[in-house]
Order: sequence, then structure tokens, then C-alpha cells
Amino acid sequence: AQTVTQSQPEMSVQEAETVTLSCTYDTSESDYYLFWYKQPPSRQMILVIRQEAYKQQNATENRFSVNFQKAAKSFSLKISDSQLGDAAMYFCAYRNLPGAGSYQLTFGKGTKLSVIP
Amino acid sequence: GAGVSQSPRYKVTKRGQDVALRCDPISGHVSLYWYRQALGQGPEFLTYFNYEAQQDKSGLPNDRFSAERPEGSISTLTIQRTEQRDSAMYRCASSLEGASSYNSPLHFGNGTRLTVT
Repeated sequence: AQTVTQSQPEMSVQEAETVTLSCTYDTSESDYYLFWYKQPPSRQMILVIRQEAYKQQNATENRFSVNFQKAAKSFSLKISDSQLGDAAMYFCAYRNLPGAGSYQLTFGKGTKLSVIP
Repeated sequence: GAGVSQSPRYKVTKRGQDVALRCDPISGHVSLYWYRQALGQGPEFLTYFNYEAQQDKSGLPNDRFSAERPEGSISTLTIQRTEQRDSAMYRCASSLEGASSYNSPLHFGNGTRLTVT
């Protein structure tokens, strides 16, 4: 079974600064999807960014980018120019490709990000 | 609305009572997932439907939990003889494509917060 580990229960960043959230995962598959979800205090679940493991290029979405290290099974999220609205729980998640066993999202325990004005 | 709709938003019940939680996915979405999220934890997979077929129920904790999606649209998660440990946020998610070929992300509802007293 796949596992996702987020080793930082809480992080804080100064407004306008950059912060990196860590995520590692364990899988025997060679291809898969990885995601970062944001959960603000409203407790919605919002997709921030996703990465296909077969793609070498790291995904970026505006101020959000990932550092995907396949060999190390690491998938960190970098938030640049942090804004007050970025304060939330961030969840890293893993998903198999179709036909490769279970296809549900497996989530880490989350990192609570605080943004200091 | 355009999103995944869950009802009720909050449910308080006494131990031993049965509860039914409803999920109305985005129109046309093939896949529907149920997750449970304890406070301070990541979502935990419960079960998955492809159209009306329950493809995976491996995450259901025990036989008090069941789910159905009889017409391939609205789904109901039922918990019989509730216990205090069942208290959590129950989230539904849907995606456009089935598990056989997916590239579309999961869209999460805002959840039902269940409290068992």
C-alpha cells in the first residue's frame, strides 16, 4: 500500500517570503500522480497543483511550484511571495494510474501553514 | 450549484442512532468517492463508485458503514448504530472520468460534520 508522509505538522512564513512544505511517499509503482491540496479554515479542499510522475518537468501554478525528486520519492511544495490567504492546512496526496491497483487518493496528515503579516 | 453538494452540513446524533449522509456530485461526473477526516488529520478513503457500481469499499471501517449510489448520481453514506468514535467530517468527492482513464481532478464537497454524543 502507498503511504504519504508530511513531516512538518506546522510551518510559518513571513508575508511576501517563500516557504517550502515537505512530502515524501512510498510506492512500488513507476508511474503515478501526486497532488497538493489546500484546506483553509472554511475546510474546503482545493486542488493547488498536481504532477504526473512520468513528467520530468516540475509543475508550476502561479506562485506555487513543486520540487519532484522521483528517485528520492520526494514532492515538496514551494510557495513564493506568500500571502495572508495562503494560511491553511496543506495536504500532499498520491494516486495510482488506472489499472495499477487502488485508485483512491492517499493523503498525508497535513502541514498547517501560518502566514505572519 | 456547480460544485459537489453535501447535506446536512452538520449532524449531531446520539450514540446508537442511524445516520444517512447525502452527496450530490457535479452533474455528469462518473466517479464518486467518500472520505472521512478526523480533526487534524488528512482525509481517509472509505469507498468509491464508478457510475452506480461500488468498485471499492475496502476503506469502510466495519459493517455498520454502507454506501449506495443507485442511479449513478446521488450517493448516500449510512452509518448504523453510531458510536462516538464515528465523529468526524465526512467528505464526498467526484471526478469527471472513471478510474479506467482519468486525468481530471477530484472535486470535494464541503463535508458533513458528524458529532455522536
